[in-house]
Amino acid sequence: GIQVEQSPPDLILQEGANSTLRCNFSDSVNNLQWFHQNPWGQLINLFYIPSGTKQNGRLSATTVATERYSLLYISSSQTTDSGVYFCAGKETSGSRLTFGEGTQLTVNP
Amino acid sequence: DTGVSQDPRHKITKRGQNVTFRCDPISEHNRLYWYRQTLGQGPEFLTYFQNEAQLEKSRLLSDRFSAERPKGSFSTLEIQRTEQGDSAMYLCASSGRGTSGGAKQFFGPGTRLTVL
Repeated sequence: GIQVEQSPPDLILQEGANSTLRCNFSDSVNNLQWFHQNPWGQLINLFYIPSGTKQNGRLSATTVATERYSLLYISSSQTTDSGVYFCAGKETSGSRLTFGEGTQLTVNP
Repeated sequence: DTGVSQDPRHKITKRGQNVTFRCDPISEHNRLYWYRQTLGQGPEFLTYFQNEAQLEKSRLLSDRFSAERPKGSFSTLEIQRTEQGDSAMYLCASSGRGTSGGAKQFFGPGTRLTVL
């Protein structure tokens, strides 16, 4: 199966700062999703982005499928952005999502 | 628009007991997935159903684990003779038919299992 690497593993920001989270894949994927896991463990869908760029408010994501990576941008961060961010990809054969180990984001006031 | 629901949300059991979890997917979704997440790790795939057929199982799914989706709607995950290493968050996800095979998965709130 594919390997998914996320970086950085931990990130501490001051409120208002911008950040970029990265996700590298070992093989081609036809499904790429970014999630935010809330303190109760629920995975909240942020983006479904197998390729291209999408924006949703202060968040945006870009996937360059040919180079096997995806980026999540958070602008003007807020304390409520704190938590763990996961990316997950599905290889072209099979059904499973393979997750990275996550980026733990802490936004301080 | 209801999302994926799971029951119970928390389960505490003693080692050696059997436990069963339930997942209700989004109603129009024909695909259902189970994942397990341990502390500090990302979720790991356990098994996948398309309608009532179980099409893929991970090597993580030992003989003590069994999953069913009898009518292609809700699913159950049973763990027999629980061990302390089974303590984890069990997540269920569902998806519809995606384009180019890459359907977006929606996750439920999870069932947190603690084995004493």
